[in-house]
Parts: sequence; structure tokens; C-alpha cells
Amino acid sequence: GIQVEQSPPDLILQEGANSTLRCNFSDSVNNLQWFHQNPWGQLINLFYIPSGTKQNGRLSATTVATERYSLLYISSSQTTDSGVYFCAVAGGTYKYIFGTGTRLKVLA
Amino acid sequence: DTAVSQTPKYLVTQMGNDKSIKCEQNLGHDTMYWYKQDSKKFLKIMFSYNNKELIINETVPNRFSPKSPDKAHLNLHINSLELGDSAVYFCASSLVGDYTEAFFGQGTRLTVV
Repeated sequence: GIQVEQSPPDLILQEGANSTLRCNFSDSVNNLQWFHQNPWGQLINLFYIPSGTKQNGRLSATTVATERYSLLYISSSQTTDSGVYFCAVAGGTYKYIFGTGTRLKVLA
Repeated sequence: DTAVSQTPKYLVTQMGNDKSIKCEQNLGHDTMYWYKQDSKKFLKIMFSYNNKELIINETVPNRFSPKSPDKAHLNLHINSLELGDSAVYFCASSLVGDYTEAFFGQGTRLTVV
């Protein structure tokens, strides 16, 4: 099956800093999503991005499907950005395969 | 007006008991899922249903039995609960299989004591 790796596993930032999270996957996919799991445990949809680039406020994402990776950019980080960021991919098998996540802590 | 809603949010129960978690989506989606998140935060598929039909059963013990009475509902019943079943269970839905965006419920934290 498809393997999904995320890096870095842990990240600590000072408020206002920028960061890049990476998601590598081992096979071609139909679908790629980024989620933020906030400290209350909710899984928030950030981007549905099988290919290309999208931006939403301080967050943007790029997926290069031919090279099997996706990047999530967080600019001017805020304490509310803390939590775990997951990448999930799907290859037409009726399941989304999650990476192990990047745990982000933003310090005030 | 929650898109994917699960009840209950918290469930504490003793070993050996039977419990159910309910899930409803109001998005008009065809496909629904159950995921388990373990203590290390890893999210793993358990079941997927499309138009009330079981598509995936990802080597889940027989004690777990999903039921989809209609396209908008997917419930999870667990028999003879074990300590190892303690986890957060998430329900999700997508319009058509995994080609489209998935939306997750708020999760049910199950604690077996």
C-alpha cells in the first residue's frame, strides 16, 4: 500500500516565524489533503490539493504529484496554529492514508 | 449545523461491556468511514461504506460491527470491550469514494477501564 511520511515530526516556533512542513508519498495518488488537529482534537480541513498550489490566508500548500510530495507553508505563525498537522492521501481504494503528523508548538 | 456529527463525544465504560457510537452526515455524501486514532495520534482506517454497502474492513476484530441504515448514517457497535480499544474514533464522509474531499466528525474518545 501507499506509504506516507511527514517531516519534521516535531517543530517548535516563536510566534511570527515561518515554517514548511513536508509530506512524501510512495505511489501516485488521486487525492491529497492537509488537516490540522487542534488541541481539542478536532480535525480541521486545511487544503484539498491533489496537485498545484493553493493559498488560504497565512497558509499555503503545494503538491507536486509527479515527484510525490506536498508542502504546507505557515507564515507569521500564531499560538493558535499549535497542534498536529496531518497529510492524507488516497489512491482510489476507498480509504485515506494518513502520515504520522507534524506536531507544532508556537510559543508566545 | 455540523456537517459530520458523532455521539457521544466521550464514552467511559468497563471491560466486557458493549457500546455504540453514532455518526450522521448532512452533506449528501455517498461514502462514509470509521477511523481509529491511537495514543500516538496515528489515524488508521477501520471501515468504509459506499451507498450503505461495506467496501473496506481493514482487519478489524469481529467485535467491531458497523451498520449503515441509510447513506447519511454509519454507526459503530463494539462488543466485549477490551482495554486496547481505548482510543479516539472518528467518523468521516466524502462525496464519492476517496477521489473527493473528506470531512471528519469531532471524534469520540472511548476509555475502557
